[in-house]
Amino acid sequence: NAGVTQTPKFQVLKTGQSMTLQCAQDMNHNSMYWYRQDPGMGLRLIYYSASEGTTDKGEVPNGYNVSRLNKREFSLRLESAAPSQTSVYFCASREQTNYGYTFGSGTRLTVV
Amino acid sequence: QKEVEQNSGPLSVPEGAIASLNCTYSDRGSQSFFWYRQYSGKSPELIMFIYSNGDKEDGRFTAQLNKASQYVSLLIRDSQPSDSATYLCAVNMNYGGSQGNLIFGKGTKLSVKP
Repeated sequence: NAGVTQTPKFQVLKTGQSMTLQCAQDMNHNSMYWYRQDPGMGLRLIYYSASEGTTDKGEVPNGYNVSRLNKREFSLRLESAAPSQTSVYFCASREQTNYGYTFGSGTRLTVV
Repeated sequence: QKEVEQNSGPLSVPEGAIASLNCTYSDRGSQSFFWYRQYSGKSPELIMFIYSNGDKEDGRFTAQLNKASQYVSLLIRDSQPSDSATYLCAVNMNYGGSQGNLIFGKGTKLSVKP
């Protein structure tokens, strides 16, 4: 049982480049989330998808877009990467409200 | 502003001692509470959840909840060096259209000295 799978694990981008972070879960969870984690800032919600077919902005959505491709997959796209987007990105999912999240292993992104 | 507050630490305890980690939250209507452990360079891992006032025990871990004081804590008995990690408190909060997303504290770094 793989849980939540994120790819890639590491990525270096040049300013202005674009990329998509992939996330897939095999637990049949309804809700999926994208967080970024920065030193001293904690986990901050970028976007979430409460159910298949819906997406909503979180606390820090600027510079990002998301796609809930199906119930399993939720991708995060950086259209024009900036050094301020250097961070560790975590995807998470949960079965329903009031349950905890299961996190993926993370993507460490550096924008130079 | 919905907030979850934790002491950033570091909290240092000797091996075998009890480690006490504390968390306060701002939303009186919150219903579910979680503790995550995060080792350096790894992703957060759910270790405890609690929904009702009182204590909930699981092995060496005890979660304590006091909704009237808006306070949740995690006790780790017989602390081991392998417990050294950052512990994140998370609370389900309803605000705007958030549909009960988890709000995370910034975490308390625990160091258990042999």
